[in-house]
Amino acid sequence: ETGVTQSPTHLIKTRGQQVTLRCSSQSGHNTVSWYQQALGQGPQFIFQYYREEENGRGNFPPRFSGLQFPNYSSELNVNALELDDSALYLCASSLRLAGEETQYFGPGTRLLVL
Amino acid sequence: QQQVKQSPQSLIVQKGGISIINCAYENTAFDYFPWYQQFPGKGPALLIAIRPDVSEKKEGRFTISFNKSAKQFSLHIMDSQPGDSATYFCAASRVDSNDMRFGAGTRLTVKP
Repeated sequence: ETGVTQSPTHLIKTRGQQVTLRCSSQSGHNTVSWYQQALGQGPQFIFQYYREEENGRGNFPPRFSGLQFPNYSSELNVNALELDDSALYLCASSLRLAGEETQYFGPGTRLLVL
Repeated sequence: QQQVKQSPQSLIVQKGGISIINCAYENTAFDYFPWYQQFPGKGPALLIAIRPDVSEKKEGRFTISFNKSAKQFSLHIMDSQPGDSATYFCAASRVDSNDMRFGAGTRLTVKP
């Protein structure tokens, strides 16, 4: 186990609703990245937070937003949910050091949008 | 957005055989190439990773071969076991970037 936890494990929402997913990073890690994994696909990078600031973003619209807290835990918020948002949402924590970027993934939150 | 192409999509190997999964990348700025293993209901777990300054890295039964000129890298699983049955993802990133690009995954089944 990586020590990265996510909640909830499963979630069902309807189109147009908003959702908040939570992630607790591994002890000692200061960076959290969020990924969307559609069924049968590899994870796609949403964004990363380092020291409470967004530090890079993938090709996702602004309705995907996030937060990182002083204890390095993080939230992913998705507004105006669409059917295509149904996926496994993964967070990964890492320790930002020169030349070190190993990411440790949590078990994910499976979101179903009806 | 997909900059890493992975093949095959699925692979069936007999117990004790060698499993080989291939990946090709486009961005020559990538300098970190990890492989992740994912079991159903779990997040991806780092298996082994390589940087482009070496052509091969071995950890136990797992070996990464890296061909910088061809922009390809592969995972070899020696003496494959039923417990290795999982989905494997290759990925690539830059040290100064936070955007890790994943392949689409290979579903490996090792038959007893």
